[in-house]
This record gives sequence, C-alpha cells and structure tokens, in this order.
Amino acid sequence: DAGITQSPRYKITETGRQVTLMCHQTWSHSYMFWYRQDLGHGLRLIYYSAAADITDKGEVPDGYVVSRSKTENFPLTLESATRSQTSVYFCASSGQGRNEKLFFGSGTQLSVL
Amino acid sequence: DQQVKQNSPSLSVQEGRISILNCDYTNSMFDYFLWYKKYPAEGPTFLISISSIKDKNEDGRFTVFLNKSAKHLSLHIVPSQPGDSAVYFCAAYRDNYGQNFVFGPGTRLSVLP
Repeated sequence: DAGITQSPRYKITETGRQVTLMCHQTWSHSYMFWYRQDLGHGLRLIYYSAAADITDKGEVPDGYVVSRSKTENFPLTLESATRSQTSVYFCASSGQGRNEKLFFGSGTQLSVL
Repeated sequence: DQQVKQNSPSLSVQEGRISILNCDYTNSMFDYFLWYKKYPAEGPTFLISISSIKDKNEDGRFTVFLNKSAKHLSLHIVPSQPGDSAVYFCAAYRDNYGQNFVFGPGTRLSVLP
C-alpha cells in the first residue's frame, strides 16, 4: 500500500548504544521530516530534508544524525542514545508545492534505559 | 519561545455540544495553518487547513476560523462525538519557504457520552 511506514514500532535500548529508526515513503514526496513528541512540547522538529542528499537541522538536532541517499528513505540515527531521547518519533513527508500537508507515519516508541 | 501556542492542555465537552479548540501564533509571516488529530499509538492525521487569505474554512462538522489581526485561530467541532476524543495539534508554516511546519503542544479533547 502507498504511504509512509516507520520501523520498528517499538524499540528498547541502553544508554550509549547506536540506534537507527527507519522511514520509507511511496509518494515520491520531496520533503521528509523527523519529529519527536514529548508531553508539554508537542511535536518538535529534529531534522528535515528537501530532497535526496539535502538535509537540514530542525529545532532539536543534537545527538541525532540523518541521511537521505534515496528520495523514499530517511533514516534517523541516535549515535549514542541517552535517556533524554526516550520519546515517540514520527516521520513525515510532504510535497513541495503551495498549501501542502504533512503526512505522518505511525511512529516509533523508543525507550532508552 | 513557542511560535505556536495552545494554551489549553485539555478540554472536556458533552456529546452533541460544540468543541472549541484555540491556537495562537506569534510569527506574522505564517500564512498557512493546519489542524491535526492524533489518537493514541497512531501518527497525527490531517484534519483541516486554512490559508491566510481566508478567515473561515468548513469541512463537515469541522470549521476553522482565522483572525489574522489577533494571530489567533480556532477549530470548532459541531456536534462533538465520542470518536472525536483525541489530541489536536495546531500547525503553521510560511508557504513556499521550506515547508517548515511549526506545531503547538496540543490539546487533549475528551467528548463525554
């Protein structure tokens, strides 16, 4: 089915480990985004990408790395996980025209112990 | 400093009555506004949007009002149904300026039967 899919749905890891969250979209959207959702903060942008090989920092990029070698994939890596990175992570995509909408994946619940 | 604010963390409404969710923004350059609905363990889904050239947009039971001079928008749900119970996020962006969607912290709506 067309859409945006994230994996894994749930992940438990330990402090200091490297973790990669995957995101794949089938719409050929130009833009892709990573958000984290935390109580009281809503959705905060971590990184976004305007096209393959073009990425930029959002509001809370520290401790995260992204890449976008293909239009459809936008993995997010936590290089050395910390407890403060325990959160729900959402990947999203949008087109590049006027009045665009964001389309979200189902999220990854990450717990760092 | 939050550019998009939703000052009510939660709201309870009786089934059949009107729900009014409020959102304020500080950046006068924002010119497109969206509301998203989020159920537990799911990604946010698009609900309704409005461009800054309008002051009202309707879609079935959902109406969004925009007051540019007050930098305020509101979402009206009439009549409210138990299935509307969810977290609602207000989002804003500056069209044609990098798809930088900025989200508010969300309001949890509970519609009581």
